[in-house]
Amino acid sequence: SQELEQSPQSLIVQEGKNLTINCTSSKTLYGLYWYKQKYGEGLIFLMMLQKGGEEKSHEKITAKLDEKKQQSSLHITASQPSHAGIYLCGADEDSNYQLIWGAGTKLIIKP
Amino acid sequence: NAGVTQTPKFQVLKTGQSMTLQCAQDMNHNSMYWYRQDPGMGLRLIYYSASEGTTDKGEVPNGYNVSRLNKREFSLRLESAAPSQTSVYFCASSERWAWYEQYFGPGTRLTVT
Repeated sequence: SQELEQSPQSLIVQEGKNLTINCTSSKTLYGLYWYKQKYGEGLIFLMMLQKGGEEKSHEKITAKLDEKKQQSSLHITASQPSHAGIYLCGADEDSNYQLIWGAGTKLIIKP
Repeated sequence: NAGVTQTPKFQVLKTGQSMTLQCAQDMNHNSMYWYRQDPGMGLRLIYYSASEGTTDKGEVPNGYNVSRLNKREFSLRLESAAPSQTSVYFCASSERWAWYEQYFGPGTRLTVT
C-alpha cells in the first residue's frame, strides 16, 4: 500500500527565515493535499496538487508537486509565528474518500 | 456557524467500558469521517460515510462501530475499550464532490486504562 514519508519530523526556524518541508510517496500520486494542524486542534486544508509540475500558493506558503508525481515540497517564505504548527501531507489511492497521511512535520518559529 | 463539533473533548475509560463519541456538522456536507491520530503515525481513517445512509470501513475499523444518524450527525462507538484505543479522535466532513477538502472538528482525547 502507499506510504507517505515527511521530512523533517520537526523544524525550528528563526522568525523571518524561509523553510521547506518534503513529502515523498512510495507510489505515483493521484492527488496530494497539504493540511496544517495547530497544537491541540483539528486540521485545516491548505491546498491540493494533482498535476505533475503543479505549483500553488496560499498566502506565503507555496507547494509544488514534482513531474513524476512522487514528491511534494511545501515552502514558507519569511516565516511568522502564525506559521507554527504541524504540517501534514495526505494522498489518495485509487479509491475516493480514503486519504493516506504522512506522520507530519512539527514547525516551531523562534521569535 | 460552528463547523464541526465533537463531544466530549476528553474522556478516560477503563478497559472493557463502552462509550460513544458524538460528531455534528452544520455545513450541509454529505460526507463525514472518523480518524484516530497517534504520535508519529499521522492520521488513520476508521470509518467514513460518503452520504447519509451509507457507512464504510477505513484503514483501522476493528473495535469500532459507527452510525450516520442523519445528514448532520455521525457517531463513533467503542463497545469494549482497550488500551490500544488510547488516541485522539477526529471527526471531519466534506462536500461529496470535493471529498479531499475535509473540515475537522477539534478532537476528542481518549485514554483507556
